[in-house]
Amino acid sequence: SQQGEEDPQALSIQEGENATMNCSYKTSINNLQWYRQNSGRGLVHLILIRSNEREKHSGRLRVTLDTSKKSSSLLITASRAADTASYFCAIPIGNAGKSTFGDGTTLTVKP
Amino acid sequence: NAGVTQTPKFQVLKTGQSMTLQCAQDMNHNSMYWYRQDPGMGLRLIYYSASEGTTDKGEVPNGYNVSRLNKREFSLRLESAAPSQTSVYFCASSEGFGYPPQYFGPGTRLLVL
Repeated sequence: SQQGEEDPQALSIQEGENATMNCSYKTSINNLQWYRQNSGRGLVHLILIRSNEREKHSGRLRVTLDTSKKSSSLLITASRAADTASYFCAIPIGNAGKSTFGDGTTLTVKP
Repeated sequence: NAGVTQTPKFQVLKTGQSMTLQCAQDMNHNSMYWYRQDPGMGLRLIYYSASEGTTDKGEVPNGYNVSRLNKREFSLRLESAAPSQTSVYFCASSEGFGYPPQYFGPGTRLLVL
């Protein structure tokens, strides 16, 4: 299976701290995506990083991709209570745009 | 611009009943998706449509059928619901062929008794 696996399953930090979550996968990929899901809501697409990119930024988010280790990380800097959510990585299946999702990391940011 | 909309938001079915979940997007996107999410887990792809008139099976298609009625609408049908189909169903869309899902609907919570 190409499914990404997030680590840790759960993470609890204080507001202002940084949060890092990781995603590992098994086969070669062209890109990898990160999504956020607030409780009871649909997913929100955060960042797509391509296989020829090593790092990508979006506001307080930093995503890295190491294709040699088949892993990616999502860093949220200066976390806020509003960042409390589940975060998922998604791996493409072939080139058709279909993606498989891991089981996610549940992040809790305490005020 | 409403994005991706889904109806109904919540539904209770008895085993063996049928129903259709509706999804529509107003962003002129080509690709649309149906996922299911079970408690504490990630999303699993049920069906995918790269463009109007085309559909493709995902990871868990058994027990479901889909229709890409036009570019805007992509419906998911359960012909004979089973308790194992109790889940939250998400529809998503993306701009074009080869793009991962970009926008998700709010979800339909389905309970099969």
